[in-house]
Amino acid sequence: AQKVTQAQTEISVVEKEDVTLDCVYETRDTTYYLFWYKQPPSGELVFLIRRNSFDEQNEISGRYSWNFQKSTSSFNFTITASQVVDSAVYFCALSELGTGRRALTFGSGTRLQVQP
Amino acid sequence: GAGVSQSPRYKVAKRGQDVALRCDPISGHVSLFWYQQALGQGPEFLTYFQNEAQLDKSGLPSDRFFAERPEGSVSTLKIQRTQQEDSAVYLCASSLGATSAYNEQFFGPGTRLTVL
Repeated sequence: AQKVTQAQTEISVVEKEDVTLDCVYETRDTTYYLFWYKQPPSGELVFLIRRNSFDEQNEISGRYSWNFQKSTSSFNFTITASQVVDSAVYFCALSELGTGRRALTFGSGTRLQVQP
Repeated sequence: GAGVSQSPRYKVAKRGQDVALRCDPISGHVSLFWYQQALGQGPEFLTYFQNEAQLDKSGLPSDRFFAERPEGSVSTLKIQRTQQEDSAVYLCASSLGATSAYNEQFFGPGTRLTVL
């Protein structure tokens, strides 16, 4: 069965520090997608990125970067030069193509607090 | 453009009452999902619709939970004889295509249900 683990429950950093959020996943499927979502205090989940299992290239988008390593089943998320507006709960999620199950399996989330 | 909307945003029910939660997906989106998010946890899948067809209801926790999407747009999640363990945020998400392993899911703000 699919599973997503986010071992870091809460992280607190000072503004301008870099921070990495860890995500480890389990799946028996060979074709799957990994996602990161941000949940600010307002509660609405905001899509950040999607990667498929065949594309292990790291990706950078502004201050955000993602490191996907199939060998360790990890999909880590780094925020460079963190800002107070980055404070939120971040969720990693998995979706399997082969099983036909269309729903996302989420981790338990990492609460990031960026102090000014 | 309008995103996914949900109503009510907050609902307080006495144990044993029935509740109905509404989701208005993004216009034209084929897929619609319901998730349940307990406090401090990631969202957990409840059920999935493709147009008006409920293709997966494997996540519904009991037969007290019922969902419908009769015309393939608005969906209602109904909980009968509410229990305290039903207290959670109920999230609705929609996506454009039918194969949501790939397609991004857009989430609504959720309905926070508190059962006293």
